[in-house]
Amino acid sequence: DAKTTQPNSMESNEEEPVHLPCNHSTISGTDYIHWYRQLPSQGPEYVIHGLTSNVNNRMASLAIAEDRKSSTLILHRATLRDAAVYYCILKETGAGSYQLTFGKGTKLSVIP
Amino acid sequence: GAGVSQTPSNKVTEKGKYVELRCDPISGHTALYWYRQSLGQGPEFLIYFQGTGAADDSGLPNDRFFAVRPEGSVSTLKIQRTERGDSAVYLCASSLAARSYEQFFGPGTRLTVL
Repeated sequence: DAKTTQPNSMESNEEEPVHLPCNHSTISGTDYIHWYRQLPSQGPEYVIHGLTSNVNNRMASLAIAEDRKSSTLILHRATLRDAAVYYCILKETGAGSYQLTFGKGTKLSVIP
Repeated sequence: GAGVSQTPSNKVTEKGKYVELRCDPISGHTALYWYRQSLGQGPEFLIYFQGTGAADDSGLPNDRFFAVRPEGSVSTLKIQRTERGDSAVYLCASSLAARSYEQFFGPGTRLTVL
């Protein structure tokens, strides 16, 4: 799987929007962009994924650059419960593309 | 509904001992994955099951590690002759099928080897 680059840490004020960046300059045409997050002392949980178009769900929005070399996870109103490590993961769609390859992620702190 | 469960939540053992870690996936999920997470790192893939068979065990670090899923549901990760370097959180995940976009993770088992 292609490599992703994320900032080690970010801070946000509670109830403010948060934009978490991810660079993936070596992304291939068949790679989906997945985001997972891991709350303290829990296993990771799926947040959102996309291929080319921007995506929205109840948890977040995913904005994908036109050249697909970067993406941004957007939390519209950060809450204390959103404090977690956020992982940006590229996942192939072809055969054998079942495992997730995690980097170190971005640790998001939310300030009350 | 019930999520992925893992037992025990914590396991402390001595160097050289044998341990078994159990994973109960979400009912009906055919794909099951084991990952290992060291402190400050993201999870690392160990092994993937489709049904009863290990479809990919390329992430197992050495032959001291083995996993089974005899009836296509519960899985057990087995570690022989444990070493201090095996200390980590062992995570299990399941998905409806191998190429499902979402994997559901359990809370993990924290293994400490003294």
